Amino acid sequence: QKEVEQNSGPLSVPEGAIASLNCTYSDRGSQSFFWYRQYSGKSPELIMFIYSNGDKEDGRFTAQLNKASQYVSLLIRDSQPSDSATYLCAVNNGNYQLIWGAGTKLIIKP
Amino acid sequence: EAGVVQSPRYKIIEKKQPVAFWCNPISGHNTLYWYRQNLGQGPELLIRYENEEAVDDSQLPKDRFSAERLKGVDSTLKIQPAELGDSAVYLCASSPGGRLAGAETQYFGPGTRLLVL
Repeated sequence: QKEVEQNSGPLSVPEGAIASLNCTYSDRGSQSFFWYRQYSGKSPELIMFIYSNGDKEDGRFTAQLNKASQYVSLLIRDSQPSDSATYLCAVNNGNYQLIWGAGTKLIIKP
Repeated sequence: EAGVVQSPRYKIIEKKQPVAFWCNPISGHNTLYWYRQNLGQGPELLIRYENEEAVDDSQLPKDRFSAERLKGVDSTLKIQPAELGDSAVYLCASSPGGRLAGAETQYFGPGTRLLVL
């Protein structure tokens, strides 16, 4: 059973600090990795995806991938109250199918 | 560019009644997905289409759920008869397909929130 694990949270972070969200996956053959944000009552929206080991930056967001250790992280710099949401990690199994984690609830405290 | 369109946004029905959801994907996206999401969980894949072909329906409860994607564009998901446990958010997503980087990236519609009483 291919799995994607996330801490359900909630993760509470002060405004302006760095929020760090982690995700581990079981399938060593996974090729691409996605982070989605989901506000309460809304559908998931793509933040970014990463294919290669290392870091990928997009504005205040940085995705980090370590295939040897089978984890992917999302860092949010200068956290804002509007970043409060559930963050979903998804891993591509190589066949256009994403395996989803259950998400981490992030709360940014003003 | 218009996003994924779904209707209705909300539906309340009594158990044993039928219900249908409609989805129109992003123009040009060949791959279409139907998901079910329960509170506090990630999306659960029900069925995936490549054009008009259902290529993965292993998680679709076929005794009561059916889906179609005529002409490889919009799609309909049906439940008949609905049960109390079907209450959830039903999400439709689409992805471009092909071999370019990001081809498997999924874009979601707003979802249909179903309540079965």
